[in-house]
Amino acid sequence: GAVVSQHPSWVICKSGTSVKIECRSLDFQATTMFWYRQFPKQSLMLMATSNEGSKATYEQGVEKDKFLINHASLTLSTLTVTSAHPEDSSFYICSARGTPGLYFGPGTRLLVL
Amino acid sequence: AQKITQTQPGMFVQEKEAVTLDCTYDTSDPSYGLFWYKQPSSGEMIFLIYQGSYDQQNATEGRYSLNFQKARKSANLVISASQLGDSAMYFCAMRRDATGNTPLVFGKGTRLSVIA
Repeated sequence: GAVVSQHPSWVICKSGTSVKIECRSLDFQATTMFWYRQFPKQSLMLMATSNEGSKATYEQGVEKDKFLINHASLTLSTLTVTSAHPEDSSFYICSARGTPGLYFGPGTRLLVL
Repeated sequence: AQKITQTQPGMFVQEKEAVTLDCTYDTSDPSYGLFWYKQPSSGEMIFLIYQGSYDQQNATEGRYSLNFQKARKSANLVISASQLGDSAMYFCAMRRDATGNTPLVFGKGTRLSVIA
């Protein structure tokens, strides 16, 4: 079946640094990918919709200048957390359209010290 | 706007027993899809079952079945013959367009614990 991969699985970084998370569709093309964030013991919250070849669509309350999304090809979307702060520590999950639901990546745990 | 409500923060069930996880939804769209995902402690999201708004029959996938009551806007997940490996978070989700390329909206989840 379709597989979505994410890299890295774990990131620990210092406050103020930028972190890039990659999301790849391994055996299918994804014109649209979705980025979710999940805080501990909470649900998944949609951050943005990543569209190949065009600007991402951000959900209300999500800072587009802080969470940069680039969907440069049909199989790769990247999320860059710029100038990360401890409150950005979270579990970030990407997903792409599947049949019938969404295929999810394994997630990236970000810890900002 | 769509909304998913899961009123049970946590549930316990004895091994080999059946359990029902509640989910209600709210939408004004005539076409939508309802999903259940399982999230173990590893964090991965595992697709369990899907129900389209126009599907006449309740969906079933192995030990999982979805009790779809459209008039009540409920889509409860029934797990039969619970196993210890079923212990996890369970999320009900909805997609606005049943077949379109739109994101999922998730409920807050229910933590299921299966007791030996």
